[in-house]
Amino acid sequence: GEDVEQSLFLSVREGDSSVINCTYTDSSSTYLYWYKQEPGAGLQLLTYIFSNMDMKQDQRLTVLLNKKDKHLSLRIADTQTGDSAIYFCAEIRSNDYKLSFGAGTTVTVRA
Amino acid sequence: SAVISQKPSRDICQRGTSLTIQCQVDSQVTMMFWYRQQPGQSLTLIATANQGSEATYESGFVIDKFPISRPNLTFSTLTVSNMSPEDSSIYLCSVFKGDQETQYFGPGTRLLVL
Repeated sequence: GEDVEQSLFLSVREGDSSVINCTYTDSSSTYLYWYKQEPGAGLQLLTYIFSNMDMKQDQRLTVLLNKKDKHLSLRIADTQTGDSAIYFCAEIRSNDYKLSFGAGTTVTVRA
Repeated sequence: SAVISQKPSRDICQRGTSLTIQCQVDSQVTMMFWYRQQPGQSLTLIATANQGSEATYESGFVIDKFPISRPNLTFSTLTVSNMSPEDSSIYLCSVFKGDQETQYFGPGTRLLVL
């Protein structure tokens, strides 16, 4: 099975908050990342969190990490139409820096 | 951050041919990787490109099909050999910047094999 799991779809009304959830299995992961991929585009790093942190906030983005449950979430405040994209959660292994990706959550923002 | 460029950005190829994708980084990096993203799928690691030695391949990927070169700390190539339609994917290179604790991706090469 996959090491990183995400729900596949999220629909949100413009102006509301979006919450994307992710679970991972490798307890030795040192960093966890959120990437954004818009249609036809490459991967854009949104934010990351170090494994010894519980929360990280960066403008409209809030990352929460529950290390005990191996659960990661990304909250986007005041979601805009430009936030429509696929969001990938990824964990990195400390010994070789390889990334394991989730399947990606497709976020659709409706007016 | 790291600025990564890839060439070509896209290509349409005939089955049985080979394509070499180039990845150039604006600074020296130790860790460089190649990923594949099949249509509608997530990213899968192909291999780690090692400078001065053979690449390290993940399960399911072999050197004969995906030969990789890494002549220095800013450049790498991935060749997709003897292509078939199943090789139609986006191929992305990435680098890990330890001083920034971050892995950056190139824009990707979109490959369609007919």
